[in-house]
Amino acid sequence: SQQGEEDPQALSIQEGENATMNCSYKTSINNLQWYRQNSGRGLVHLILIRSNEREKHSGRLRVTLDTSKKSSSLLITASRAADTASYFCATDEPEKLTFGTGTRLTIIP
Amino acid sequence: SAVISQKPSRDICQRGTSLTIQCQVDSQVTMMFWYRQQPGQSLTLIATANQGSEATYESGFVIDKFPISRPNLTFSTLTVSNMSPEDSSIYLCSVQGRTSGEGETQYFGPGTRLLVL
Repeated sequence: SQQGEEDPQALSIQEGENATMNCSYKTSINNLQWYRQNSGRGLVHLILIRSNEREKHSGRLRVTLDTSKKSSSLLITASRAADTASYFCATDEPEKLTFGTGTRLTIIP
Repeated sequence: SAVISQKPSRDICQRGTSLTIQCQVDSQVTMMFWYRQQPGQSLTLIATANQGSEATYESGFVIDKFPISRPNLTFSTLTVSNMSPEDSSIYLCSVQGRTSGEGETQYFGPGTRLLVL
């Protein structure tokens, strides 16, 4: 079963704007990860945030985690056309990941 | 990181037939994972394949429908048996990261896009 629910399901923004997507989950976690998928291809790992961390940065990506609300957000700053993709959060269970429903992001040039 | 290849990349099959998908990793890994992604949906774990033991299947997936082989530490196959149009999906294999800094992340193959008519 899916652990994460992502919001919004779809997001379209102009190139250069910031994109924010959210993930809510149900059970306690050790870490939460974000992945990107281009056009139905394989997933690419973006960033991992541990349960004792509140914020993490990687290039134009900023991830926050609020374990009290069981939610996480992914912010992509200064968006580019190449950021067009589906983004999934994933929570850990022992030795496997459970993926959220995903946000489909479209960057309009 | 790990480099993963899958064959075939896509296929169109007739209902009632079976298709075997291959997954090759460029290094030895303990666990390999097989996922299904139905059109417009998220990923659902089918099973975890360990070398030298039977695969562990998730709820809703059975070995008769999705037999898995894991003959060595770099290779695995997933067979989709007696296919129906509902099996039309992208099938992805993945492995866990190998270094201490990436142990919890997964690396994915490019996927096999299956259409069943």
